[in-house]
Amino acid sequence: SQQGEEDPQALSIQEGENATMNCSYKTSINNLQWYRQNSGRGLVHLILIRSNEREKHSGRLRVTLDTSKKSSSLLITASRAADTASYFCATDAWETSGSRLTFGEGTQLTVNP
Amino acid sequence: DSGVTQTPKHLITATGQRVTLRCSPRSGDLSVYWYQQSLDQGLQFLIQYYNGEERAKGNILERFSAQQFPDLHSELNLSSLELGDSALYFCASSRGGLAVSYEQYFGPGTRLTVT
Repeated sequence: SQQGEEDPQALSIQEGENATMNCSYKTSINNLQWYRQNSGRGLVHLILIRSNEREKHSGRLRVTLDTSKKSSSLLITASRAADTASYFCATDAWETSGSRLTFGEGTQLTVNP
Repeated sequence: DSGVTQTPKHLITATGQRVTLRCSPRSGDLSVYWYQQSLDQGLQFLIQYYNGEERAKGNILERFSAQQFPDLHSELNLSSLELGDSALYFCASSRGGLAVSYEQYFGPGTRLTVT
């Protein structure tokens, strides 16, 4: 079963607008990561935020993490048509011997030119 | 280009058959992960290897097995294939994966179609 639930499932915006995607999870985590996937292709790592961090920025991306609410958000500012993709949050609840990522169902973002 | 390579890109085979998927991690990465992506199950973690040893196991069927070789490349073996095994299989690698976790770099995937 999926650890994360993402909201919305689909989002359609105009170029230049901001896009916000939310992720909720159920168990304690070591870190939370966001990935992008263009249709049928491999996942691209966007940003990693550790459980003791509250906010992180990378270029046009801003990620927040609220461990008390078990939720995270990804904000893409000044979106571009090239940002059209599926975005996944993934929680890492590492085990004593290894680690694993548990992915949400993803948000399909469409940025219209 | 993530630096992770997977072969083959596409594989079409019949039910009951056995296939082997291959993955080469990024240079210097010791951890290799396998994931399955299907329409009904989404992205599911299968298994992790670190420097040749199995470290974490997810929803991997008994019909599936994996290993990581001394040169750090990994293979995922799928046997007695069923129609429901049709999916995209991704390999990922990271520099860590034990006490501290790092971002994972994904390969382009192998699309398996079982007919």
